[in-house]
Amino acid sequence: DTAVSQTPKYLVTQMGNDKSIKCEQNLGHDTMYWYKQDSKKFLKIMFSYNNKELIINETVPNRFSPKSPDKAHLNLHINSLELGDSAVYFCASSPTPAGTEAFFGQGTRLTVV
Amino acid sequence: QQQVKQSPQSLIVQKGGISIINCAYENTAFDYFPWYQQFPGKGPALLIAIRPDVSEKKEGRFTISFNKSAKQFSLHIMDSQPGDSATYFCAASHGGSQGNLIFGKGTKLSVKP
Repeated sequence: DTAVSQTPKYLVTQMGNDKSIKCEQNLGHDTMYWYKQDSKKFLKIMFSYNNKELIINETVPNRFSPKSPDKAHLNLHINSLELGDSAVYFCASSPTPAGTEAFFGQGTRLTVV
Repeated sequence: QQQVKQSPQSLIVQKGGISIINCAYENTAFDYFPWYQQFPGKGPALLIAIRPDVSEKKEGRFTISFNKSAKQFSLHIMDSQPGDSATYFCAASHGGSQGNLIFGKGTKLSVKP
């Protein structure tokens, strides 16, 4: 069983479209995250949720909206996609808000054309 | 502002050699320092982590050295193998509800046979 699973693994879409990435963890962790990895491999936090509550919202355009229906799921919806949104998006989970023992999913490679 | 600085950006080591990657941090509130390993097309995976109350932690061929006064920590890979070829990220976080992992920019390690 995959601990943190993301779908889809690859996503190719046109500019202006709206898309969603889903994430589920079966580790029983209380905290989930979305990270963005750019073309230079830099990993940057976007959002953090603890027990379904948003605790970190970095300077991310409001076209990005996370949703946590329960503490095992954290989805990312992106409106009006732009070329600059092309990146690999990672979901992660941790037993603590500080990110200790954080476990990452396999990533979703988003390509906006 | 880059809170965790990692060097070198890339590293080539012969099989059997020692790989050393260094990180420096600025925020003295950081109290958790993990290293992650990422293979192409995969998510980052936790390799080893240290807290500031110890100066060294060893797990198999991987060792973290920690210097609190200098605000530096490093990863040593002994007897480096071609299978260790990957991108390595140091990270840091502090406890509390607003803590999250802040990553260095990564080091691409190539171990030559």
